[in-house]
Amino acid sequence: GAGVSQSPRYKVAKRGQDVALRCDPISGHVSLFWYQQALGQGPEFLTYFQNEAQLDKSGLPSDRFFAERPEGSVSTLKIQRTQQEDSAVYLCASSLAPGQSSYNSPLHFGNGTRLTVT
Amino acid sequence: DAKTTQPPSMDCAEGRAANLPCNHSTISGNEYVYWYRQIHSQGPQYIIHGLKNNETNEMASLIITEDRKSSTLILPHATLRDTAVYYCIVSAGGTSYGKLTFGQGTILTVHP
Repeated sequence: GAGVSQSPRYKVAKRGQDVALRCDPISGHVSLFWYQQALGQGPEFLTYFQNEAQLDKSGLPSDRFFAERPEGSVSTLKIQRTQQEDSAVYLCASSLAPGQSSYNSPLHFGNGTRLTVT
Repeated sequence: DAKTTQPPSMDCAEGRAANLPCNHSTISGNEYVYWYRQIHSQGPQYIIHGLKNNETNEMASLIITEDRKSSTLILPHATLRDTAVYYCIVSAGGTSYGKLTFGQGTILTVHP
């Protein structure tokens, strides 16, 4: 497939469990973003990678959230000791261009992982 | 990034043009206007973007006022599949490396 792929599509976790969410970006895309979308709200930025380098993690809500992209392609968002307020859709997006020319390189989003913490 | 204001909801009849307004009165000279939409249970989808000139692609047209304080997204012949939340976003691109600040958007409902 040519699009951004995210797995799993749905995840139910008990409070306190750790979860790992996977993102397969479009092949060759340099930039990768994670967003969090609460019910009824617009997506909110979490973190940004340029290749394997995490250049911005200012949106991560706490130190329980950790993201990596070790080889500059697949990325994993990990949430430790999940809490009910972590329930949301987690969206991954990629774009072809690196930062400086990104204004002409639209973001391609996956369909997200819906995380429910019980 | 500059803040945007959009109506919370709009209706449109199938086959008619849908005109979605957006106010961005504090936009800076280096900031672009982007439009994305999100169909239920899907990720956002890029539609179009522009700096100061009007833009058109296979999906839509973007009309930006001369003072750049507002813009309108036009879907020329709306279909039922265009029912979605439409987000108007202002971003400097470049130094903000495509980091987008989504607001609440406009829920567009296309009726048969």
